[in-house]
Amino acid sequence: RKEVEQDPGPFNVPEGATVAFNCTYSNSASQSFFWYRQDCRKEPKLLMSVYSSGNEDGRFTAQLNRASQYISLLIRDSKLSDSATYLCVVNQAYGNKLVFGAGTILRVKS
Amino acid sequence: EAGVVQSPRYKIIEKKQPVAFWCNPISGHNTLYWYRQNLGQGPELLIRYENEEAVDDSQLPKDRFSAERLKGVDSTLKIQPAELGDSAVYLCASSLGWPAQETQYFGPGTRLLVL
Repeated sequence: RKEVEQDPGPFNVPEGATVAFNCTYSNSASQSFFWYRQDCRKEPKLLMSVYSSGNEDGRFTAQLNRASQYISLLIRDSKLSDSATYLCVVNQAYGNKLVFGAGTILRVKS
Repeated sequence: EAGVVQSPRYKIIEKKQPVAFWCNPISGHNTLYWYRQNLGQGPELLIRYENEEAVDDSQLPKDRFSAERLKGVDSTLKIQPAELGDSAVYLCASSLGWPAQETQYFGPGTRLLVL
């Protein structure tokens, strides 16, 4: 079983749609969680951290469920510029090591 | 402020040849990481440095891969000899020390193709 699992997609959605990505992690001792965004042939960039209380940044909302070891990302009012791969990332408790999921591809179309 | 710099951006070599990648982290970042990203996968950590010390190299294939970070600033990752399966993007990242360590800033990567 992979340490961080994501639905690879692709998710093809029209502009203005709401889309949600899910992620599960296997290490119950994991301490912190993130979503990174990676554009085609570019490097990953931090999109947002994920907190137990949930957090929102504009059109983006991230949620964490520690009991179910589940992380989500919700994008509202999708823009063409949101098209990218979204990487779920977990910081394991030991060694302060980030583990990346394989990513979920989002394609927003006009 | 300059980001993480990597060179070369692209490299094509024949199998069994050596290859080296260079990384210069963001100024002031003590922690440096080398990742390998295969097509359709997320980055996988190869090695992490705290200043000049390699604190996690458990995922580095030590029979053919080596890395160094002399003087605790820039770093070099070497493969000798390269194999077909080494074709991937090699990403360097850096971060501040604790407690801001978790935010990693990535360089543009080196795309390696082994023929």
